[in-house]
Amino acid sequence: DTGVSQDPRHKITKRGQNVTFRCDPISEHNRLYWYRQTLGQGPEFLTYFQNEAQLEKSRLLSDRFSAERPKGSFSTLEIQRTEQGDSAMYLCASSPSTSPEQFFGPGTRLTVL
Amino acid sequence: KNEVEQSPQNLTAQEGEFITINCSYSVGISALHWLQQHPGGGIVSLFMLSSGKKKHGRLIATINIQEKHSSLHITASHPRDSAVYICAVRLSRNYQLIWGAGTKLIIKP
Repeated sequence: DTGVSQDPRHKITKRGQNVTFRCDPISEHNRLYWYRQTLGQGPEFLTYFQNEAQLEKSRLLSDRFSAERPKGSFSTLEIQRTEQGDSAMYLCASSPSTSPEQFFGPGTRLTVL
Repeated sequence: KNEVEQSPQNLTAQEGEFITINCSYSVGISALHWLQQHPGGGIVSLFMLSSGKKKHGRLIATINIQEKHSSLHITASHPRDSAVYICAVRLSRNYQLIWGAGTKLIIKP
């Protein structure tokens, strides 16, 4: 399968714990995006990478959130000291430099108890 | 007021009906996307357009840049079309996608 993959697909954690999600984009895509989607809402932009550079960050990305893409390939999104309000679907997408069309992964559903 | 508004929020129709979902936006955009999201969260890009009209199978998407409005049409709807359809706009100034809240479509057999 050569699509965008995300791991894990589901994560249940207790409030206060740290969690890390991984996204593997389509291999030739240099742009990578993270979005968050809460129940019944459309996705909200979190952050954007071009290669290894994090070019944009949403105000939604509080200091408890950090994203990296160290080698310009896969990316990780870490949430520290999770809160119940962090419960959401975290979506990753990638796009090539030649087109703004984004291809989405299956998402990681986070539940914070 | 949200920057991207979709209507209706929910739509239930009988198999075979012609479906229209509308999207209006208030910001400058470089492109508009229509996406489909099935239960479980997977998102599939249906169309990306910046002008005119695109057709793929039974799906048609149109955009009017002057009126800042786009429509997604489904002809001869089928129960497998049941999903959430989301309109998202790509801002002119950066790469962000601003998303509508989605339209939940249910097609009854």
